[in-house]
Amino acid sequence: KAGVTQTPRYLIKTRGQQVTLSCSPISGHRSVSWYQQTPGQGLQFLFEYFSETQRNKGNFPGRFSGRQFSNSRSEMNVSTLELGDSALYLCASSLERGLSTDTQYFGPGTRLTVL
Amino acid sequence: AQKVTQAQTEISVVEKEDVTLDCVYETRDTTYYLFWYKQPPSGELVFLIRRNSFDEQNEISGRYSWNFQKSTSSFNFTITASQVVDSAVYFCALSEAQNAGNMLTFGGGTRLMVKP
Repeated sequence: KAGVTQTPRYLIKTRGQQVTLSCSPISGHRSVSWYQQTPGQGLQFLFEYFSETQRNKGNFPGRFSGRQFSNSRSEMNVSTLELGDSALYLCASSLERGLSTDTQYFGPGTRLTVL
Repeated sequence: AQKVTQAQTEISVVEKEDVTLDCVYETRDTTYYLFWYKQPPSGELVFLIRRNSFDEQNEISGRYSWNFQKSTSSFNFTITASQVVDSAVYFCALSEAQNAGNMLTFGGGTRLMVKP
């Protein structure tokens, strides 16, 4: 079974631009979560989508948004990029059996550099 | 609020040594889940183990073992006879059941360097 895939793997943008990152979950997985990893703040939860609805949201500004499609694929968007948005963005998917917290499996990440 | 602390930011050992990575967590929830992930230089987080708050049994998987103690809110990870391939950053994470769905709170990570 293929793992979580993320595209693109690397991205360079300039301040003020916007960016869209894509995540394809493991086949059959219904929940997709996004995390930001920076040297200063570590790994931080951005948001989670399940059944095309945002179920949980971390403490990030409204410039960070996401969505999930009917095939469970997810995208996240960052508008008006700032230098501090430079980070590794990790996507994770889980089966979501409904009764308890499922294990999240992570993709390779998208490394975003904002110049 | 939930919190995970990994006090050891960096550990260096020589191959074949045993090493323990510490993890201390805080939560008010009675039902929660604990995880360990490994992040090699490639960047991808690799799942190692999941534990729920009602299962305090220690677990062993090959050279890896985990010690879960609710009394001290700790979930420590031991690698026996370490190998160079174990070099990576290891993260402990917590998820509370009251947060419907999946939301992991990670510790700061411990960078393990195993020298030949």
